[in-house]
Amino acid sequence: DVKVTQSSRYLVKRTGEKVFLECVQDMDHENMFWYRQDPGLGLRLIYFSYDVKMKEKGDIPEGYSVSREKKERFSLILESASTNQTSMYLCASSPTTTGRDEQFFGPGTRLTVL
Amino acid sequence: AQKITQTQPGMFVQEKEAVTLDCTYDTSDPSYGLFWYKQPSSGEMIFLIYQGSYDQQNATEGRYSLNFQKARKSANLVISASQLGDSAMYFCAMRALRNQGGKLIFGQGTELSVKP
Repeated sequence: DVKVTQSSRYLVKRTGEKVFLECVQDMDHENMFWYRQDPGLGLRLIYFSYDVKMKEKGDIPEGYSVSREKKERFSLILESASTNQTSMYLCASSPTTTGRDEQFFGPGTRLTVL
Repeated sequence: AQKITQTQPGMFVQEKEAVTLDCTYDTSDPSYGLFWYKQPSSGEMIFLIYQGSYDQQNATEGRYSLNFQKARKSANLVISASQLGDSAMYFCAMRALRNQGGKLIFGQGTELSVKP
């Protein structure tokens, strides 16, 4: 079974803190993605990566950065957390860029910034 | 630009009945794929069904089928014989198949509640 794991299910941080969200997949997938999910807005892509050390901005990259030093790990970084970054964060991976290959998702991290 | 629209924020259905969840999309790409995901209250996203833009037949996966009307740019999910476990958020998503990185564009979601 494909497994995508995220470091925390729930996280509470203070405004201004640096926050790391970690994602690990065990199926040797090339592509990895970070989304945030907000009610009424669906999932919005923050960043994605299609190879080690490669990253591309998604639709809402402001306030975030990412790191992919190893193929299996994709980290999302909030350099200085703000209250408007309170959200559910979902990581996903997929084996190829085309065709019907679906993305496999992690369980999500619900982040609250106070 | 690509866009996915789900106009039903919430839906109710009686157990054992069929239900249709609406999804319309907009794209200028000739080759694309459409996906439906289910998200139970536990939070994980579960892939349900896929339809390619050049597929000749509508996709089916068990109780799930996709009513694909290309000219109308709609890709509605039909769930037959609803079960209590079908209560969840449902997301429609699209990917241009030539897109680098394979990124998905998601709709706003529809919350389905199945009544006993």
